[in-house]
Amino acid sequence: NAGVMQNPRHLVRRRGQEARLRCSPMKGHSHVYWYRQLPEEGLKFMVYLQKENIIDESGMPKERFSAEFPKEGPSILRIQQVVRGDSAAYFCASSPTSGDHYNEQFFGPGTRLTVL
Amino acid sequence: GQNIDQPTEMTATEGAIVQINCTYQTSGFNGLFWYQQHAGEAPTFLSYNVLDGLEEKGRFSSFLSRSKGYSYLLLKELQMKDSASYLCGAPINDYKLSFGAGTTVTVRA
Repeated sequence: NAGVMQNPRHLVRRRGQEARLRCSPMKGHSHVYWYRQLPEEGLKFMVYLQKENIIDESGMPKERFSAEFPKEGPSILRIQQVVRGDSAAYFCASSPTSGDHYNEQFFGPGTRLTVL
Repeated sequence: GQNIDQPTEMTATEGAIVQINCTYQTSGFNGLFWYQQHAGEAPTFLSYNVLDGLEEKGRFSSFLSRSKGYSYLLLKELQMKDSASYLCGAPINDYKLSFGAGTTVTVRA
C-alpha cells in the first residue's frame, strides 16, 4: 500500500512564476491536509480538504495561494506569482476520516520549493 | 490557540537515553502527539497521549501530565538512526495539528 505521494520533490521557480504542488493521498484516504515548514520552524497548518470541498483554509495566505482536491486526481496546492518568502518545504498529509477525535495523519515526503 | 515549546537541539551518545521535554498551552486539550522527522523526509507518527501517564512502545516512551501542560519523549538505547528531528504537537480540533519547532537529536558514536 503506497504511502502519501507528493511531486515534484524539488521545485525551483523564479519570482513571479507559478508553483503547482501535487499530493496523492494514501489509498482509501479521503481527507487531505497541507502544511508548510519554513527553515528552523515547525510545521504550520495551511488547509484541510475533502473531495471537492475546502473544509478549513484558515492557515493559508489570502492572496496567491489556492488549493483543490478534485473528485478525480491528486490534490493541488497552487502558488501564483511566487516570492522568495514562499521558499519552504510543503508537506501533504492524509487520513481516512476526521471524526470526534484525532485521527493519525500520514505525511508525504514533501515538496521543497525554492524561489530564486 | 496553541503555544508549544521544546528544546532546539540535543546531543547524546549511542546506547544512551535522551528525554525530550515539551510544554504546551492550549485553549482546549485534544491530546499530545510526537512525530519523528529525518532530514529531508516525511514526519512519521510516534505516539499520541490523551490520558496522563507513560506509554511505552519499544525503545520509545511518551509521558503526559495534563495538569502541568507537560510531555516528554524518552528514547532508550539510542541508535545512530535515531538522529532526527522530533516534533511535539497538539490537535487544535479533530483535524488541525499545531506543532512545536522540533528538537534535533544528534546521536554520536
